[in-house]
Amino acid sequence: RKEVEQDPGPFNVPEGATVAFNCTYSNSASQSFFWYRQDCRKEPKLLMSVYSSGNEDGRFTAQLNRASQYISLLIRDSKLSDSATYLCVVRGNTGGFKTIFGAGTRLFVKA
Amino acid sequence: NAGVTQTPKFRVLKTGQSMTLLCAQDMNHEYMYWYRQDPGMGLRLIHYSVGEGTTAKGEVPDGYNVSRLKKQNFLLGLESAAPSQTSVYFCASSQGPQGAKETQYFGPGTRLLVL
Repeated sequence: RKEVEQDPGPFNVPEGATVAFNCTYSNSASQSFFWYRQDCRKEPKLLMSVYSSGNEDGRFTAQLNRASQYISLLIRDSKLSDSATYLCVVRGNTGGFKTIFGAGTRLFVKA
Repeated sequence: NAGVTQTPKFRVLKTGQSMTLLCAQDMNHEYMYWYRQDPGMGLRLIHYSVGEGTTAKGEVPDGYNVSRLKKQNFLLGLESAAPSQTSVYFCASSQGPQGAKETQYFGPGTRLLVL
């Protein structure tokens, strides 16, 4: 089982739609959680950190469920520019330092 | 402020050849990382460094060596390239391991093809 698992997609949605991505992680001792965005043939960039109480940044909402060991990202009112791959990232506390990236979920937003 | 830069951007090697990938950051970050990204798989950590003069193995270190002689530079070496090392290599840096400091900033990547 992969340490961080995501639905690979792709998700094809029309502009204005709401889309949700889920991510599960296997290490219950994981400390920090993030969503990164990666455009085609570009480097990953931090989209947002995920806090225990959940957090929102404009059209983006991230949730963490430690009991079930999953993280979610909700995008409301999708824009064409949201088309990208969304990477779930988990940092543990074993071995001093360990950051695990999910394989990513691809999103296509259509006009 | 260039952030994280990587050279070269693209390289083709023959099996058995060696090469060094250079990563440089101008943000005075302590932590630096080398990842590889392959289709259908997440970024996998090759090696990382928590400060000048220190390096540590990541998830997939075999076949690679690294050096961090200067704080701003992190070099990744392939002594004898193999086709299995065909990949996109990303370098990243961060201020530290926890909290807001752990945001990783990535370079644009190096595409390596080993024939």
